[in-house]
Amino acid sequence: GQQLNQSPQSMFIQEGEDVSMNCTSSSIFNTWLWYKQDPGEGPVLLIALYKAGELTSNGRLTAQFGITRKDSFLNISASIPSDVGIYFCAGRYSGGSNYKLTFGKGTLLTVNP
Amino acid sequence: DAGVIQSPRHEVTEMGQEVTLRCKPISGHDYLFWYRQTMMRGLELLIYFNNNVPIDDSGMPEDRFSAKMPNASFSTLKIQPSEPRDSAVYFCASSLGTSGQNNEQFFGPGTRLTVL
Repeated sequence: GQQLNQSPQSMFIQEGEDVSMNCTSSSIFNTWLWYKQDPGEGPVLLIALYKAGELTSNGRLTAQFGITRKDSFLNISASIPSDVGIYFCAGRYSGGSNYKLTFGKGTLLTVNP
Repeated sequence: DAGVIQSPRHEVTEMGQEVTLRCKPISGHDYLFWYRQTMMRGLELLIYFNNNVPIDDSGMPEDRFSAKMPNASFSTLKIQPSEPRDSAVYFCASSLGTSGQNNEQFFGPGTRLTVL
């Protein structure tokens, strides 16, 4: 089945620093999503990408859909303490009746004030 | 608008007991998904429904797990009998459609299940 490799597994940074994380897939996707999960809550959608090469921003967050359709990255600029949480990538190949999302294992982000 | 509602938020039970998790999707959403999250395996899709009909249950671990959606505003995930390895956080999510803008999944807060 499809597998997503998300890296890094965890990051410890100082407030104000920029952050970058990425996901690679063993097969192509036509949708990439980035979610954030706070402790005790469900994942919340941050950015959705639907086209190879697409670069999309949401405030201090920027994500790109890789041209090969097998990878995506998420950048966070000027991190703040509330950025703490687990960030998940998710991919989907919508073909036939397949609408399943495949999730990465997550990147745990800690921001030191 | 209310998001996806799940109950209970926490459940502690003993091995062998029946467990029922409940979900109310966002009003108007035609798709409902049940996920399980563990440290080892991450987020796994168990089953999803379209217009109350189960479409794909290939992620359901075994016969001890069952899910129903009797109407558009309610779904249950049942484990009978429960085992310690079922301990996990179970999420319900709903969406308007299955792909494309405005059709992505919204997750509930989850139910943390502990089976002793």
